[in-house]
Amino acid sequence: GAVVSQHPSRVICKSGTSVKIECRSLDFQATTMFWYRQFPKQSLMLMATSNEGSKATYEQGVEKDKFLINHASLTLSTLTVTSAHPEDSSFYICSAPGNRANGQPQHFGDGTRLSIL
Amino acid sequence: AQSVTQPDIHITVSEGASLELRCNYSYGATPYLFWYVQSPGQGLQLLLKYFSGDTLVQGIKGFEAEFKRSQSSFNLRKPSVHWSDAAEYFCALNAGGTSYGKLTFGQGTILTVHP
Repeated sequence: GAVVSQHPSRVICKSGTSVKIECRSLDFQATTMFWYRQFPKQSLMLMATSNEGSKATYEQGVEKDKFLINHASLTLSTLTVTSAHPEDSSFYICSAPGNRANGQPQHFGDGTRLSIL
Repeated sequence: AQSVTQPDIHITVSEGASLELRCNYSYGATPYLFWYVQSPGQGLQLLLKYFSGDTLVQGIKGFEAEFKRSQSSFNLRKPSVHWSDAAEYFCALNAGGTSYGKLTFGQGTILTVHP
């Protein structure tokens, strides 16, 4: 079945570092992908919608200069957390829509746990 | 705008007991509805989905959910809980259309199972 691969699964780095997270659709094309964030003991909140070949759409309150999204191909979206600080420590997870005509739901990556020291 | 509410933050049941997790939604039309399970430190696993048709949906691991339009609810049930069901459960909604694939999640319900 359709699979979304997300890397890395875990990142630990120093404050001020920029971190790139990749989300790949392995056997299907995804013109749209979604990025979510989950703080400890909280629910998942949509951060942004990644659009292939165009600018990402950010949810209210999400800093677009802080969270850079690039969707340069039909199978890859990247989220870069720029100059990360401890408050950016969170679980980040991406998804891609399935085939609606076939009743396929969205496919999630396994997530990236980001810890900023 | 749509929203999803899971009224119960934490539920504790004994192994073998029945389970019902509540989910209410707010949306102007019939949405696509989902239940996901997340074990600590892990990603999301889809338990079941409702798109249309039969309002009683069967999922994996013995779970089922019933869509009730009149109550704007999509409660998750399991007749006999196993210790391995202990996890956090999320109800989610998708509005469809051009937003297909974009989910609004409820707050989550943590399930603890006593032996």
